[in-house]
Amino acid sequence: AQSVTQLGSHVSVSEGALVLLRCNYSSSVPPYLFWYVQYPNQGLQLLLKYTSAATLVKGINGFEAEFKKSETSFHLTKPSAHMSDAAEYFCAVSSLMDTGRRALTFGSGTRLQVQP
Amino acid sequence: EPEVTQTPSHQVTQMGQEVILRCVPISNHLYFYWYRQILGQKVEFLVSFYNNEISEKSEIFDDQFSVERPDGSNFTLKIRSTKLEDSAMYFCATQGGETQYFGPGTRLLVL
Repeated sequence: AQSVTQLGSHVSVSEGALVLLRCNYSSSVPPYLFWYVQYPNQGLQLLLKYTSAATLVKGINGFEAEFKKSETSFHLTKPSAHMSDAAEYFCAVSSLMDTGRRALTFGSGTRLQVQP
Repeated sequence: EPEVTQTPSHQVTQMGQEVILRCVPISNHLYFYWYRQILGQKVEFLVSFYNNEISEKSEIFDDQFSVERPDGSNFTLKIRSTKLEDSAMYFCATQGGETQYFGPGTRLLVL
């Protein structure tokens, strides 16, 4: 069984401020972890992923996330927010299934607002 | 860059009608998925498909739903008799390596 908890359904930051979006996961097997971004009326775009290599993962648009097994966390950060970062962010976990493939389990999402 | 495409982008239907949502996967991807997102809620897994058969499905994916790849190109999700609660955004995803790539979605509204 696997699950994802995203703390904070809404986060508001000022332009130029640090962005921190929290994600905790639960998985009975070593997880693969993902962050996706969804802009209004659009699909899901992959920001970054952790697949058991480096624990600090860098993604697109200046985002990065660190896998911390002891804390079962995969928080998303960006040093300086831009107005264009306003969107909904989803953390997702996948685990190996009997078929060898992996369905994603998503968190509830965090809507990021960036104030000028 | 290859993309997953979905048609239609929007569909409005009457309760009880059948709908077919279509997806064109990224070529050479072999694993396909359907997810849905009810307005304001999280994205939920519906079904995965490999080698022309369902490999996994969630409890949401009941007998009203079916998937197929009729012509080796399109990957379709059929809802046999739509209900009001089927109103949602439906996303197709295909897997390359360990990453699932999502299409832009079909917004289904059941009246």
